[in-house]
Amino acid sequence: GIQVEQSPPDLILQEGANSTLRCNFSDSVNNLQWFHQNPWGQLINLFYIPSGTKQNGRLSATTVATERYSLLYISSSQTTDSGVYFCAVGLVGTALIFGKGTTLSVSS
Amino acid sequence: DAGVIQSPRHEVTEMGQEVTLRCKPISGHNSLFWYRQTMMRGLELLIYFNNNVPIDDSGMPEDRFSAKMPNASFSTLKIQPSEPRDSAVYFCASSSGGSYNEQFFGPGTRLTVL
Repeated sequence: GIQVEQSPPDLILQEGANSTLRCNFSDSVNNLQWFHQNPWGQLINLFYIPSGTKQNGRLSATTVATERYSLLYISSSQTTDSGVYFCAVGLVGTALIFGKGTTLSVSS
Repeated sequence: DAGVIQSPRHEVTEMGQEVTLRCKPISGHNSLFWYRQTMMRGLELLIYFNNNVPIDDSGMPEDRFSAKMPNASFSTLKIQPSEPRDSAVYFCASSSGGSYNEQFFGPGTRLTVL
């Protein structure tokens, strides 16, 4: 099956810093999503991005499907950005396969 | 619009008891997914339905687990009998299907089996 690797596994930032999270996947996909799991355990949709670039406020994401990777950029980080960021991939009509996540801690 | 609704949000039960988790997908979505999250295994698929029909149940751990989707707006995941190793957070998700396949997750049910 498709393998999903996320890096780094852990990230500690000071408030205001920028960061880049990476997701590599082992096979062609046509569904890729980034999620933020907040400290209460909720999975929040950040981006649906099987290819291309999207931006939403301080967050942006880029997926290069031909090279099988996606990047999530967080700029001017805030303490509320803390939590676990998951990349999940799949094929249309099938389930998502999740990476192990990147745990982000932002301190003030 | 209401998102995916799950109940109960928390469940504590004793080993051997039957547990039923419930999910209401987003109205109009025709794909429904059950996932489980544990520290050891992360987030993994249990089963998913398209148009109320189970498509892939390869993630269901064993016969103690069963899932049904009697109509487009309701699904259940049942564990009978429950065991301590079933303790986890169970998520339900739905998507509209077709070529646009973004999945939206419910708040999850945190199950503790003593």
